[in-house]
Amino acid sequence: DIQMTQSPASLSASLGETVTIECRASEDIYSNLAWYQQKPGNSPQLLIYDANSLADGVPSRFSGSGSGTQYSLKINSLQSEDVASYFCQQYNNYPFTFGSGTKLEIK
Amino acid sequence: QVQMKETGPGLVQTTQTLSVTCTVSGFSLTSYGVHWVRQAPGKGLEWMGIIWGDGSTNYNSALKSRLSISRDTSKSQVFLTMNSLQTDDTAVYYCAEGAYGSAHYWGQGVMVTVSS
Repeated sequence: DIQMTQSPASLSASLGETVTIECRASEDIYSNLAWYQQKPGNSPQLLIYDANSLADGVPSRFSGSGSGTQYSLKINSLQSEDVASYFCQQYNNYPFTFGSGTKLEIK
Repeated sequence: QVQMKETGPGLVQTTQTLSVTCTVSGFSLTSYGVHWVRQAPGKGLEWMGIIWGDGSTNYNSALKSRLSISRDTSKSQVFLTMNSLQTDDTAVYYCAEGAYGSAHYWGQGVMVTVSS
């Protein structure tokens, strides 16, 4: 199975800041990577797919990048509604696997 | 618009079999896949498996011996069945629409507690 190592596990940032979350795959996943946001008490929601494609309705302050084994999610101009957990997921190989998550809080 | 809704028993006894139904609308099960993902309390997401538009399935190898995913296209329903439940199967079970590997639309999830 492909292991997805996500960092940091938690993150505290100020409103208006830019934050970056990283995901490293144990082997090349050829940009078959998605990012999800899960607000407390809610279902996950897709933010990014195919490493850098913005899902419908997602604000443009979210962006994804990377290739090979290294990927990142960037959030520009942090807003209070961005408080959530964020997960990466690879879908290059079965079984599809998720990163362990990053909990984002506002300072 | 795409909607997904999971329904399930809420409480299941250990060693018994879990059955959860995902009812979808806004798309055809013959065109898009449906993932099953679960989340234990306070934990991360675990991909369980998928049934594709052509009816083929793929499973998490850790669950494969206990897990089955099937569907009834006439009712727009997908079924998850998992046997030999243990307490660590306690989780919220989600279904999600997936055109490819990513999960674009999620249900609200159903909490399943496994108790002896």
